[in-house]
Formats: sequence, C-alpha cells, structure tokens
Amino acid sequence: EIVMTQSPATLSVSPGERATLSCRASQSVSSKLAWYQQKPGQAPRLLIYGASTRATGIPARFSGSGSGTEFTLTISSLQSEDFAVYYCQHYNNWPPSITFGQGTRLEIK
Amino acid sequence: QLQLQESGPGLVKPSETLSLTCTVSGGSFSSSNYYWAWIRQPPGQGLEWIGSIYYSGGTNYNPSLKSRVTISVDTSKNQFSLKLNSVTAADTAVYYCARQAWDGGHSYPFDYWGQGALVTVSS
Repeated sequence: EIVMTQSPATLSVSPGERATLSCRASQSVSSKLAWYQQKPGQAPRLLIYGASTRATGIPARFSGSGSGTEFTLTISSLQSEDFAVYYCQHYNNWPPSITFGQGTRLEIK
Repeated sequence: QLQLQESGPGLVKPSETLSLTCTVSGGSFSSSNYYWAWIRQPPGQGLEWIGSIYYSGGTNYNPSLKSRVTISVDTSKNQFSLKLNSVTAADTAVYYCARQAWDGGHSYPFDYWGQGALVTVSS
C-alpha cells in the first residue's frame, strides 16, 4: 500500500507571500498525483491533477510540480480565500485505488 | 452542471448497518468514462477513500474497509449506494460521494463532489 505523507502539518504564511506545501509518496506514483483544497464545512475542491495540470477554473497562482515520490504545491501570492486545508492524493490506474495524505493546514501568519 | 447529493440516516446504532445513497443529476451517469466513489472524513480528521463503482457494477474497495463495505449502483435512478456494516463510533464521519473520470485504463482524481452527509454512530 502506498502511503502519502504531507509536510508541514501546519504552515503559517502572510497574505501576499508564497506558500510551498510538500507531499511525499512511499513509492513512485509517476504523475498520478492530485491536490485538493478544503474549507470548513465544504467538500474538497480539485486544484491540480497529473501533478502539474490545473483543474478547470483554478487561478494561475496555484501550481504543482514533481514526479515519482516528491511533489510540491505552490501558491504564489496568498489571497485571503486561500487559507484552508490542502490534501494530496494518489490515484492508481490498476487496480483502481485512492490514497490521501493527512493534509496541511495553511493559516494566516 | 453535474450535481451529487447524499441522503440517508444521520444516526446509526453501534453494530448496525450504515446506508447512504448518492443521487446524480445534470450529467451522464451511465457512462463508461466514470467511476463513482464514496469518501469519508471523521470530525477534524483527514479524508479516507471507501470505494468506487463503475456504471456496470464493477467495484473496488479500500482494503482496510473491504470486509464491511458494499457499494451498489442503480442506473435507472442515477444513484449509487453505500452499505457499511457492523459500525462503531470510529465510523462517525462526514460521508461524501464523488465522481472519478476513467479514460481507457487511465484514472483521474475526483472532480465533482457532493456536499457531504454527517453520520453519527451512537446508541
């Protein structure tokens, strides 16, 4: 079973600054990696898939990078609405299976 | 616009069976291009994939829950359902249904989600 580990657990950043979130896989997942944003009381929202492709309607300040076992989500200039919890997710082709990281809480500094 | 809506009892007694249904509207349900999934989130915790079903009925389950889970589909009603038996307090969570695209052997992440349904396990 592939384990996804996110770091840090909590990240404190000031509005307008850059935020960098990390996700590590216990074995190579190629580029089958997605990032989600979740705000309190809401369902997660897909931000990035294929490690680096923005989902429909996602602002350009969100970018993803990496392949294999090391991945990064970067938010270039934090807006107030970006403070939330972020999850990475591996989605396997076959057998179809899904594994989430434990999440990173992005909070206002 | 595709919409997913979870429904079912919000309170289940320990040792009983949790049952939820997800109704899909505004899009193609019986398509070979999608899996339909259940995900849960205990209060204050992270996300856990429970399992997925193809429109034809093929299923895939999280190994950690496989012995207690059944996911089924009713294409005539554009619905898929979750049954989780022998529940305990640890199964208390918000349960989400979601869509996962599938393209010729290649999977994609969840692009549409329901709003979630809180299910509490308590006597």
